[in-house]
Amino acid sequence: GIQVEQSPPDLILQEGANSTLRCNFSDSVNNLQWFHQNPWGQLINLFYIPSGTKQNGRLSATTVATERYSLLYISSSQTTDSGVYFCAVGFQGGSEKLVFGKGTKLTVNP
Amino acid sequence: NAGVMQNPRHLVRRRGQEARLRCSPVKGHSHVYWYRQLPEEGLKFMVYLQKENIIDESGMPKERFSAEFPKEGPSILRIQQVVRGDSAAYFCASSPITNTGELFFGEGSRLTVL
Repeated sequence: GIQVEQSPPDLILQEGANSTLRCNFSDSVNNLQWFHQNPWGQLINLFYIPSGTKQNGRLSATTVATERYSLLYISSSQTTDSGVYFCAVGFQGGSEKLVFGKGTKLTVNP
Repeated sequence: NAGVMQNPRHLVRRRGQEARLRCSPVKGHSHVYWYRQLPEEGLKFMVYLQKENIIDESGMPKERFSAEFPKEGPSILRIQQVVRGDSAAYFCASSPITNTGELFFGEGSRLTVL
């Protein structure tokens, strides 16, 4: 079946460190989004990136659709980056819904 | 989060009561989606609606749950005779008419069943 796998499941960093989060998916996609769920439960759009590379401040993302993966880079991490990062994918021919991965829980310590 | 409004933000119900969650999409968006997030889990798709039509309800439980998106007014997710297992965060998302585009999520409604 359709699968979205994120790694690592948990990540602990010191403030200022860099990190890479990975999202693998099992089929061709027409939509891929990265979200940050903060400790208060709010779900924040980070990137809409079905292909290519985008950057927004300290965050950037790359999706290689032909190889079925996406990467989220966080540079110079801050304590406010803590939370859960979700990758969500819309599959071609799979209706319009997004399928979410289980997330990467990031903890940034001061 | 691009203007998707959900209310109430928090709702407490006793077992057997009804819960109604409302979602107003981004102005001009005609596609609405409901997702459920159980504690310590990712979001799971429930239902996809367009104005006055249910397009995909493959993620909806067969009983007690219903959703609508009327011609006028917000989308409503209704849960009848709630049970403790319904306690979760319910997120609504909307997208514009070009329906393979980006989804914008609301802040969620957190249902607690006592």
